[in-house]
Amino acid sequence: DIQMTQSPSSLSASVGDRVTITCRASRDISRFLNWYQLKPGKAPRLLIYAASTLQGGVPSRFSGSGSGTDYTLAISSLQPEDFATYYCQQTYTTFALTFGGGTTVEIK
Amino acid sequence: QVQLVQSGAEVTKPGASVKVSCKSIGYTFTDYYVHWVRQAPGQGPEWMGWTNPNSGDTKYAQKFLGRVTMTRDTSISTAYMELSSLRSDDAAIYYCARSLNAPSPTHYCYFDYWGRGTLVTVSS
Repeated sequence: DIQMTQSPSSLSASVGDRVTITCRASRDISRFLNWYQLKPGKAPRLLIYAASTLQGGVPSRFSGSGSGTDYTLAISSLQPEDFATYYCQQTYTTFALTFGGGTTVEIK
Repeated sequence: QVQLVQSGAEVTKPGASVKVSCKSIGYTFTDYYVHWVRQAPGQGPEWMGWTNPNSGDTKYAQKFLGRVTMTRDTSISTAYMELSSLRSDDAAIYYCARSLNAPSPTHYCYFDYWGRGTLVTVSS
């Protein structure tokens, strides 16, 4: 299976800060990379698909980039509702989709 | 408005089975694949497999072969995931999610709507 390594595993930031989260795949996944936001008790939310395409309804402060094995999720100006856990997911392999270990964004 | 509405929390015993349902609302059920993903405490999400509601085809992650069964009832737009021979490490939140495409190296696949999750507790 393709291993997805996220970093950092957690971070503390303030409202208005720029935040970046990275995700590294164990091999080339050709931009088959999605980002999700999870909050306790709520349905997970798709933020970015195909590495850089913003899902409809997601604020433009979220952006994704990368290629090959290395990908990044950026939040340009952190808002109170953005404190959550973020996961990357690769969908390049047909029968073995995998997620990263997660990055929890906490209030500083 | 698209919604995936999951069944309520379950408490089960080791060795038993659990069946979780996922009712699709607000879209044509047979137009989208339904995936199942679980998340154990303190761990990242884990993909379990998908079902194609149109054909009934299924694909399961290797780890769950022989223990998981994914089915659907198109008359009530509902997908099901049954996991058998439960162990303590199967305790998790189980989610359903939909995608337009099946995972493949030729078409992007992403989960655009998810259910809120079903907590499964395994305890003797």
